[in-house]
Amino acid sequence: QSALTQPASVSGSPGQSITISCTGTNSDVGKYNLVSWYQHHPGTAPKLIILEGSKRPSGVSSRFSGSKSGNTASLAISGLQTEDEADYYCSSYAGSSSLVFGGGTKLTVL
Amino acid sequence: QLQLQQSGPRLVKPSETLSLTCTVSGGSIDSGGHYWGWIRQPPGKGLEWIGSISWTANTYYNSSLKSRVSISVDTSKTQFSLRLNSLTAADTAEYYCARHDSYFGVGGAFDVWAQGTMVTVSS
Repeated sequence: QSALTQPASVSGSPGQSITISCTGTNSDVGKYNLVSWYQHHPGTAPKLIILEGSKRPSGVSSRFSGSKSGNTASLAISGLQTEDEADYYCSSYAGSSSLVFGGGTKLTVL
Repeated sequence: QLQLQQSGPRLVKPSETLSLTCTVSGGSIDSGGHYWGWIRQPPGKGLEWIGSISWTANTYYNSSLKSRVSISVDTSKTQFSLRLNSLTAADTAEYYCARHDSYFGVGGAFDVWAQGTMVTVSS
């Protein structure tokens, strides 16, 4: 199980939109619709913001959306707010009852 | 509302065994088809899935840790536990327990997390 590939960092200004990619293989991201995204503010527990590729849990802002194309999943955040500044992680089911995370992306809101 | 509370040591010596427990409150550990997992984050690094356990005590482990890890569940105490042996400095990390949402077993998203425990492996 190799970690999914995410950009180390992305940035944007308040009100802008950004996208974070999560690249895997045809054995994980490309094969299953089981990609999750987590928002992690250091010192707190990670928070689930997208499950099953594109579904938002109750209470998560509609500014967060997920999608997938081939072996790459993406998290889009629209209308950036200062409180969106955090680390973001993707994960995917990788078959054979295993799970793999991405390396994480630090979002800076300038 | 379901909550998870971790307990265990924050400092462990090299070569020893780490034992962490996650207590579930506000809900049942053996109903709803949920699986329960452990995740860790070494300082300055990303999240790593350690392993998960079903409500029927079937276990699933990260292949890179499989030889050293054991997860168990005690439904009478609504707890599940992690044991990681032969510790080295590389096992220093923030450790989290979490619940998988229903329907997809290990593939289910982690929808409820505990606050985490920073564990340092040092003599």
